[in-house]
This record gives sequence, structure tokens and C-alpha cells, in this order.
Amino acid sequence: NAGVTQTPKFQVLKTGQSMTLQCAQDMNHEYMSWYRQDPGMGLRLIHYSVGAGITDQGEVPNGYNVSRSTTEDFPLRLLSAAPSQTSVYFCASRGWTRTGDNQETQYFGPGTRLLVL
Amino acid sequence: DQQVKQNSPSLSVQEGRISILNCDYTNSMFDYFLWYKKYPAEGPTFLISISSIKDKNEDGRFTVFLNKSAKHLSLHIVPSQPGDSAVYFCAASFGGYNKLIFGAGTRLAVHP
Repeated sequence: NAGVTQTPKFQVLKTGQSMTLQCAQDMNHEYMSWYRQDPGMGLRLIHYSVGAGITDQGEVPNGYNVSRSTTEDFPLRLLSAAPSQTSVYFCASRGWTRTGDNQETQYFGPGTRLLVL
Repeated sequence: DQQVKQNSPSLSVQEGRISILNCDYTNSMFDYFLWYKKYPAEGPTFLISISSIKDKNEDGRFTVFLNKSAKHLSLHIVPSQPGDSAVYFCAASFGGYNKLIFGAGTRLAVHP
């Protein structure tokens, strides 16, 4: 299994440009989410999805759109990028832990580093 | 207002000794706590978790302790190894595993 994959690894945008951050997972997980990480702060939830066709907002949803047409893919769209969206973006999917204790966790992708000028 | 706090931005420990990373929370509704490790340019990797019905969970060199009355949890790494050098994030959730609230992280450096 590749786990959670994200593309691109790094992107530079100008203010006002749009782009889509791609996320895919091959673990057949129903739940997927997007977080952003800023310096000196923990990860903050942007949007999440509990299954195909179902999405909801997290803690910091403004400026971002999501859709979930398949179980595998959960793209994050920036319609009009702003410098405040400069951050590292992580996609995650939720599944059982590998420690066999009947608990779940979120498995994260490697991240997309976004710079908005 | 931060619901999950890691008050120590960094920690330096000698190889072979114990590393203790601390985390405090304010929301008494949290019922599940996790620790993640993060290397530079990689995503966070799950380490260990504990539900609010327990006060201790162990996995190899890693042990998490939960003190609900103090709203405090800690991660113990024994013995510490240079490969443990990373940023450690504490996270919490309630009502399931969906929405994780993260602390700001503690950078652990394990030196020979």
C-alpha cells in the first residue's frame, strides 16, 4: 500500500490564482481530512469527509473548497489564493491502528508546501 | 483559545536516558488522545494513543500516561535513541476520531 499520497510537494502561487491540492489513499478508508500547519502552531483541521459525497467544515475552512466523488480521492481547492494561505497542507485518512488495540488513528500524507506571493 | 497545549517548545536528552514530553488540555469532553512524531519534510506518523477510560498505555519504548483530574498527559520514551529526534505532537478528540485538536509540538533532540 502506498498509504496517503499528496501532489504537488511544493507550489508557488501569486495572490488571486487558483489551484487544487491532490490527495489520494489506497486503504479504502471512508474518512479523510485536510489540515494546515503553520509555524509555532499545531495542525488545524480545514475540511473533512466521512464518505463519498459527504463533506463538512473544520476549524479553518474559509478560502477552501472540497468535494469527495470517490472513496480514494479528496482534493482541496483554493479558488483565490491569499498570502495568509501560505502553509504546509496535510491530507489524512482514518483507519485502525497497527497496534491491535481496537483504536483508530489518522494516517497522514507527506504534505504540500504552498507559498503564496 | 488553545484547547491542547504543549508548553515546552524543545527538549534535549542524552541517548539512553528517559524523554518525557508533556501535554495539557482544557476540554474535559476529550475522550481520546494521541501522540504523533514528525520528521522534517514528512507527514506526522502515529506513535501511540490512549482513551479516557485508561490511565496508561504502553507500546515498546513508548508509554503514555493520562491524568484526567489534572487534564494532563505525558509521553515517556525509554531508552531514548538518536532516531527519536523529531517534533512530537499531542492531539485530542471527542465523540470519535474525526476531528483532532493538535498542540503546537515539542522538538526533541536526543544527543549521543
